[in-house]
Amino acid sequence: AQTVTQSQPEMSVQEAETVTLSCTYDTSESDYYLFWYKQPPSRQMILVIRQEAYKQQNATENRFSVNFQKAAKSFSLKISDSQLGDAAMYFCAYRSARGAQKLVFGQGTRLTINP
Amino acid sequence: GAGVSQSPSNKVTEKGKDVELRCDPISGHTALYWYRQRLGQGLEFLIYFQGNSAPDKSGLPSDRFSAERTGESVSTLTIQRTQQEDSAVYLCASSRRLAGAVYEQFFGPGTRLTVL
Repeated sequence: AQTVTQSQPEMSVQEAETVTLSCTYDTSESDYYLFWYKQPPSRQMILVIRQEAYKQQNATENRFSVNFQKAAKSFSLKISDSQLGDAAMYFCAYRSARGAQKLVFGQGTRLTINP
Repeated sequence: GAGVSQSPSNKVTEKGKDVELRCDPISGHTALYWYRQRLGQGLEFLIYFQGNSAPDKSGLPSDRFSAERTGESVSTLTIQRTQQEDSAVYLCASSRRLAGAVYEQFFGPGTRLTVL
């Protein structure tokens, strides 16, 4: 079974600075998808960014980018120019490209933005 | 358009009672998922519906948990004889689904269940 590990329960960053959230995963599959979700206090999960394992190029969405290291099974999220609205829980998630459609989530990292 | 909606937003019940949680997916989304999020934890998969196919129930933690979905519309998650360990936020998500494609799962706001 696949597992996802987020080793940083909490992180904090100064507004306008850059922060990196870590995620590692374990799988025997070669084809899969990785995601970062944001969960503000409203509880609603919001997709931040996704990465297809077959793509070597790291995904980027505005201020959000990932560092995908397939051999190391590492998938970190970098947030540039942090804003107060970025404060939330961030979850890393894995999804197989075949078979099961479910998302497998890590434990989450609580990000605090200091003004 | 409207997103995924869930009701009730909060539910407090006594140990041993049955509860029903409702999810209204986005119109046209054939896939529907239920997840459980315990306090301070990540989401755990419970069950997945896809059209008229047999649901994937592999994540249901016990036979006290069951879910139904009528066609491609509303789904109900039922927990019988609730236990304090069932206290959690129950999140529903829906997505489009076509073979060979991966579509974003859109999540509802969840139902916070508290078992006293």
